[in-house]
Amino acid sequence: LAKTTQPISMDSYEGQEVNITCSHNNIATNDYITWYQQFPSQGPRFIIQGYKTKVTNEVASLFIPADRKSSTLSLPRVSLSDTAVYYCLVGDSYSGGYQKVTFGTGTKLQVIP
Amino acid sequence: DAGVIQSPRHEVTEMGQEVTLRCKPISGHNSLFWYRQTMMRGLELLIYFNNNVPIDDSGMPEDRFSAKMPNASFSTLKIQPSEPRDSAVYFCASSQRLAGGINEQFFGPGTRLTVL
Repeated sequence: LAKTTQPISMDSYEGQEVNITCSHNNIATNDYITWYQQFPSQGPRFIIQGYKTKVTNEVASLFIPADRKSSTLSLPRVSLSDTAVYYCLVGDSYSGGYQKVTFGTGTKLQVIP
Repeated sequence: DAGVIQSPRHEVTEMGQEVTLRCKPISGHNSLFWYRQTMMRGLELLIYFNNNVPIDDSGMPEDRFSAKMPNASFSTLKIQPSEPRDSAVYFCASSQRLAGGINEQFFGPGTRLTVL
């Protein structure tokens, strides 16, 4: 399984764009990159997934360079409610015959008024 | 759909007692996961079921832990006997296995277990 490395914590002011970068040097050809968000006292929630280049949805954008050894989650104009832990996961749904992903330590984002 | 349902939401028990956590996955999902989350170890995958069959239980800490999935709509995680170090939040998640990518997992609200 590809290991991921991401900053332990980040602070940002309300209204700013936040970029969280995840390193995954050993990513395999079939691996996808997925981000989850976890609020206190709740289970993680899927945000976005991508394989290469750029993916955008109503919540965030995911930028993946050509070598795919890293990825950046971009949150536009964060608000206080975006304060959460963000996890970067790498894996493939058919790896080893089934889906196995590992949640790393995550990045704790604190949005400041 | 009500999402993944877990019960109880909170459990306080004494060391040595048996604890049973319950999970009802989202209808139609064929994969079910049990996780444990602590401050020290983060979110750990304990066991994974696909079509009610345990596929990977390598994350189960020891023989005191067991999990079952008798049908597609119900799973249990049992700890017997419980120990203080088992105190954690236990999450159940389900997903629909589809081709390509990592299938989105839907997490339940978790069960906060405290073993005294």
